[in-house]
Amino acid sequence: EVQLVESGGGLAQPGRSLRLSCSCSGFFFGDFAVSWFRQAPGKGLEWLGFIKSKLYGGTTNYAASVKGRVTISRDDSKSIAYLEINSLKTEDTAVYYCTRDELYRGYYYMDVWGKGTTVTVSS
Amino acid sequence: SYEVTQPPSVSVSPGQTATITCSGDQLGYKNPCWYQQKPGQSPVLVIYQDNKRPSGIPEQFSASHSENTATLTISGTQALDEADYYCQVWDSSTASVVFGGGTKLTVL
Repeated sequence: EVQLVESGGGLAQPGRSLRLSCSCSGFFFGDFAVSWFRQAPGKGLEWLGFIKSKLYGGTTNYAASVKGRVTISRDDSKSIAYLEINSLKTEDTAVYYCTRDELYRGYYYMDVWGKGTTVTVSS
Repeated sequence: SYEVTQPPSVSVSPGQTATITCSGDQLGYKNPCWYQQKPGQSPVLVIYQDNKRPSGIPEQFSASHSENTATLTISGTQALDEADYYCQVWDSSTASVVFGGGTKLTVL
């Protein structure tokens, strides 16, 4: 069974950093890109960025709204992707999801989602 | 940046057909996909690659698209289809994933 499990959420203080993990199983992790999303309470889905598979260079791209404050990385030997958020703000409070990204004719879409991990930023 | 527009809400009577649209410049050429998110759950892909359904997604879900619009159609709508539905495209010019704001489907 294909599974993505996010972890690392919890209560964090403004200004601090947080690293979330996305542990993957049931498929060959190295073949897929991984995206990170978040969803603030009562709001829609916000794409934060993604990391391509090594086959496509392992490069990253980020949403303009978080560029410079977020870093996505991957460890193919452990089948884990990471999301690091710096200089946390209260507005970063959200459920954070990772996804397995399929590539079709040059277009990415998200075929499997994790259950999410909740991050609350508060002093 | 590229924008995808969806109506905030759509209502449908049980057993009827619901249609949810999303629009954007040249959206039909950007591989529009659709996701369903029920309260308290993570999103689920329901339509991909034009009009394919992942395993486990019933035939009542279908989609179409024209140059600037994509449409998700849910036939024989039931109460369990109540959810938020999101349209997603890939903007190759910025190598970015773009989601619409979501449409809340209510089955009255």
